[in-house]
Amino acid sequence: TQLLEQSPQFLSIQEGENLTVYCNSSSVFSSLQWYRQEPGEGPVLLVTVVTGGEVKKLKRLTFQFGDARKDSSLHITAAQPGDTGLYLCAGVGIAGYSTLTFGKGTMLLVSP
Amino acid sequence: DAMVIQNPRYQVTQFGKPVTLSCSQTLNHNVMYWYQQKSSQAPKLLFHYYDKDFNNEADTPDNFQSRRPNTSFCFLDIRSPGLGDAAMYLCATSTGGVVETQYFGPGTRLLVL
Repeated sequence: TQLLEQSPQFLSIQEGENLTVYCNSSSVFSSLQWYRQEPGEGPVLLVTVVTGGEVKKLKRLTFQFGDARKDSSLHITAAQPGDTGLYLCAGVGIAGYSTLTFGKGTMLLVSP
Repeated sequence: DAMVIQNPRYQVTQFGKPVTLSCSQTLNHNVMYWYQQKSSQAPKLLFHYYDKDFNNEADTPDNFQSRRPNTSFCFLDIRSPGLGDAAMYLCATSTGGVVETQYFGPGTRLLVL
């Protein structure tokens, strides 16, 4: 069974601060995805990282996939209240088609 | 716009009274998934269909069943809801390719009285 450990589980910060969320596993994934979920809504895909060492930027969000494709990080610069939500990482196994393995999520609260 | 639609958005049922949640998609994706999500936790996969091929997770209670009558629709049946089944139920779809991007619906929040 592939497991994804996500940390921290909860983060409360002030507007303008920077933060990093980590997603770690002992397993190799063919790709890893980050979702953001707002209260009462379904998760929305932010990014997919596929190549070891890959870095992708989405405005103030920077996503990195580890060289060994076992871990990933999400860094938010100058957080804003609109960034508040549940951030989920999810990995796709290396055995071709497979279901996603979700981390437990990081609940981010950004206060004005 | 192509999307994943879930109805109803909110469902109230009584303890032990069967309930059906529905999901439809206009993406023409091969795979449809049902997840259960409790407050501020990650979605937990219940089962999924690859076309008509049903795949049940080992720890999904027998109380939960699913039907996929065609490509576009998928239903989640809870035969005898208990208080512990109160949760958000998410439907998702994907093409079934190697890079498995899943597209989620807005969810149905189930309340069991």
